[in-house]
Amino acid sequence: DAKTTQPNSMESNEEEPVHLPCNHSTISGTDYIHWYRQLPSQGPEYVIHGLTSNVNNRMASLAIAEDRKSSTLILHRATLRDAAVYYCILRLIKAAGNKLTFGGGTRVLVKP
Amino acid sequence: EAQVTQNPRYLITVTGKKLTVTCSQNMNHEYMSWYRQDPGLGLRQIYYSMNVEVTDKGDVPEGYKVSRKEKRNFPLILESPSPNQTSLYFCASSLQGSNNEQFFGPGTRLTVL
Repeated sequence: DAKTTQPNSMESNEEEPVHLPCNHSTISGTDYIHWYRQLPSQGPEYVIHGLTSNVNNRMASLAIAEDRKSSTLILHRATLRDAAVYYCILRLIKAAGNKLTFGGGTRVLVKP
Repeated sequence: EAQVTQNPRYLITVTGKKLTVTCSQNMNHEYMSWYRQDPGLGLRQIYYSMNVEVTDKGDVPEGYKVSRKEKRNFPLILESPSPNQTSLYFCASSLQGSNNEQFFGPGTRLTVL
């Protein structure tokens, strides 16, 4: 899987939006952009994924740059429960072993 | 409730004493996988299974065994645990295909003395 770069940490106030950037300048045309998060003392959980178009679901939105070299995960109204490490992952359509290659992720702190 | 369960959640053992960590999913997923998570190294894949009786090595398979006799279960076996296998272990499952959401278990914290 191609490499992604994320900030180590970000802070946000409760009820405010959080924009988490991810750079993936070596992305190929067949790489999907996936986001997972890991809450304290829990296993990772899926957040969202996309290929070229922006995507929305009940948890978040994913904005993908036109050149696909970067993307932004948007949490529209952060809650205390959103405090977690967020991982941006690139996956080939036919990723060997179906594995997820987790990088360092961004630790999000939500302040009340 | 759709879920992946792991047992035990915590285990302290001694070097060389064989142990098995169980993983079970109730979503009829073909694909299952084991990861270990270590500080500074992130999550790394140990073994995976694309379906019953089909298993393959991930990135760090040394010292581990797996089996997939039933679709719902994917146990991780440490025949002779060593201290460098002290880690947090996660089981995951998904439908076939690399673009499907993976569901993770709650984790098993293993300490080998």
